[in-house]
Amino acid sequence: DSGVTQTPKHLITATGQRVTLRCSPRSGDLSVYWYQQSLDQGLQFLIQYYNGEERAKGNILERFSAQQFPDLHSELNLSSLELGDSALYFCASSVNYGYTFGSGTRLTVV
Amino acid sequence: DQQVKQNSPSLSVQEGRISILNCDYTNSMFDYFLWYKKYPAEGPTFLISISSIKDKNEDGRFTVFLNKSAKHLSLHIVPSQPGDSAVYFCAASEGETSGSRLTFGEGTQLTVNP
Repeated sequence: DSGVTQTPKHLITATGQRVTLRCSPRSGDLSVYWYQQSLDQGLQFLIQYYNGEERAKGNILERFSAQQFPDLHSELNLSSLELGDSALYFCASSVNYGYTFGSGTRLTVV
Repeated sequence: DQQVKQNSPSLSVQEGRISILNCDYTNSMFDYFLWYKKYPAEGPTFLISISSIKDKNEDGRFTVFLNKSAKHLSLHIVPSQPGDSAVYFCAASEGETSGSRLTFGEGTQLTVNP
């Protein structure tokens, strides 16, 4: 157990739907990062939050949004889902340095 | 624009031999480099890192080499064990302070055969 908790572990949904992925960082970690791993692709950075504020944005689609709440947990919202959004979504947290990853949410869009 | 590239999608070695995984980067502002290992159904886990002020860092069976002029780093695993079979990701950042985002390569699937 890395200390970073992601729920749900698996999600199957239809095209056009909206889903929310949740991440609880390690205790004390202020930064939360979201990454997407599609088939045969590396980890693509989506977005970073630090202590509730958006810190950096990567290749995140406009259909996707995220937020970090006062208790530091984060949610990634994916809407108008397309088949190509099927991927593993990882959350990571850090405090001083070094990412700790959660085990990911596997999203399948059918 | 792929700033961190791992050109070998897969590598197969015999148990007890050396595994060498390679990584190239293009962003000259990167000054901190890491390797992560990923087993199926798990998130990536940190393996070893190196700052740009060094050219080598060793931790047990794992050694990372950095060639700044070539913008190239490599991970050596000696001796390789079947339990090392996993996907290895190279990552880089501008600075090692809190909040530095990591840019990852595509990963290399290492298979160590008994």
